[in-house]
Amino acid sequence: KAGVTQTPRYLIKTRGQQVTLSCSPISGHRSVSWYQQTPGQGLQFLFEYFSETQRNKGNFPGRFSGRQFSNSRSEMNVSTLELGDSALYLCASSATNPGSYEQYFGPGTRLTVT
Amino acid sequence: AQTVTQSQPEMSVQEAETVTLSCTYDTSESDYYLFWYKQPPSRQMILVIRQEAYKQQNATENRFSVNFQKAAKSFSLKISDSQLGDAAMYFCAYRYNAGNMLTFGGGTRLMVKP
Repeated sequence: KAGVTQTPRYLIKTRGQQVTLSCSPISGHRSVSWYQQTPGQGLQFLFEYFSETQRNKGNFPGRFSGRQFSNSRSEMNVSTLELGDSALYLCASSATNPGSYEQYFGPGTRLTVT
Repeated sequence: AQTVTQSQPEMSVQEAETVTLSCTYDTSESDYYLFWYKQPPSRQMILVIRQEAYKQQNATENRFSVNFQKAAKSFSLKISDSQLGDAAMYFCAYRYNAGNMLTFGGGTRLMVKP
């Protein structure tokens, strides 16, 4: 079974631009969560989507948004990029049952904002 | 809000010896899950071990075991017979029963000396 995939793996953007990151979960998984990892703030939860609906949201500004498609693939978007948005963005997928505790992580997308 | 604290930013262990990584957490929930994740230099987060709060028995996975003290809200990871491949960042994480939001500790960098 293929693991969680994230594209692109690396991205360089300029302040003020917007960016879209993609995550394909493990086949059959309907829950996708996003996390931001930075040296200063560590790993922080962004949001979770289950069956195309946002189920949980972390404490991030409205510039961070996401969506999930009917095939469970998810995208997250960051608008008006700031230098502080430079981070590793990790996506994790979980099986179909709500509350299923096993989360599988993708390799991440390294975003650099200049 | 739930918080997870890892008080050891770095730990070092000799190959083949045993090391214990500490984690404490704060929650008002009674039904939750605790995890240890490993993040090697490749940045891929790998689940090492999980513990359900309702289980009194400590979880064990091969060379990895936990000491779960629910009343003290403590969840330490013991790695026996340490191997060079165990060198990585280790994150303690908490998840309450509903939803898939993980709250992570700040991480402990484990170095393994040959």
